[in-house]
Amino acid sequence: GNSVTQMEGPVTLSEEAFLTINCTYTATGYPSLFWYVQYPGEGLQLLLKATKADDKGSNKGFEATYRKETTSFHLEKGSVQVSDSAVYFCALRQGGSEKLVFGKGMKLTVNP
Amino acid sequence: EADIYQTPRYLVIGTGKKITLECSQTMGHDKMYWYQQDPGMELHLIHYSYGVNSTEKGDLSSESTVSRIRTEHFPLTLESARPSHTSQYLCASSEYQTASSYEQYFGPGTRLTVT
Repeated sequence: GNSVTQMEGPVTLSEEAFLTINCTYTATGYPSLFWYVQYPGEGLQLLLKATKADDKGSNKGFEATYRKETTSFHLEKGSVQVSDSAVYFCALRQGGSEKLVFGKGMKLTVNP
Repeated sequence: EADIYQTPRYLVIGTGKKITLECSQTMGHDKMYWYQQDPGMELHLIHYSYGVNSTEKGDLSSESTVSRIRTEHFPLTLESARPSHTSQYLCASSEYQTASSYEQYFGPGTRLTVT
């Protein structure tokens, strides 16, 4: 079946550090891939997405590239801020399905 | 900006009580979902609906029930709350148009504590 594996946290970084959150997936065909973010006390928000191989999603300084050859969708940011402290979820949507499959989430804390 | 609402935001209730968690969206979306989020942050789909009068069980078995009488409203009910139901409950909705436009919109969640 479809699954998403993302690196486990929690992770603590200093402000302006480089961030990478690894995400790999198992799926048939060509799923769409997503990164969602959950700020403290809130629901999830879509951060970025990619719908086909080699697409790059980007938003708020975050980027992720859909790599079909390595079945990966790693999230990166060059310089994190305290306001990036949140839980990050990688997810996939199999074509033809209305459901998302989520990874387990990774909590990021950024200290000043 | 997502227009999906959940009430209450926080609820503390005693064992055995019946509770209903409300979820409403004003986007006219056909598809709606309920997720249970455990303390480790992992999300589990417990119910979903493809439209009015449609309800399906999700990937995680749940003692809760749902109904979908109106497009905009997708309440979740626990007939007899237990401490094991203590969790965060997130409601979401979506409207598929194209693969590039697909997105699930989430409400702010209800944090339920059963004592």
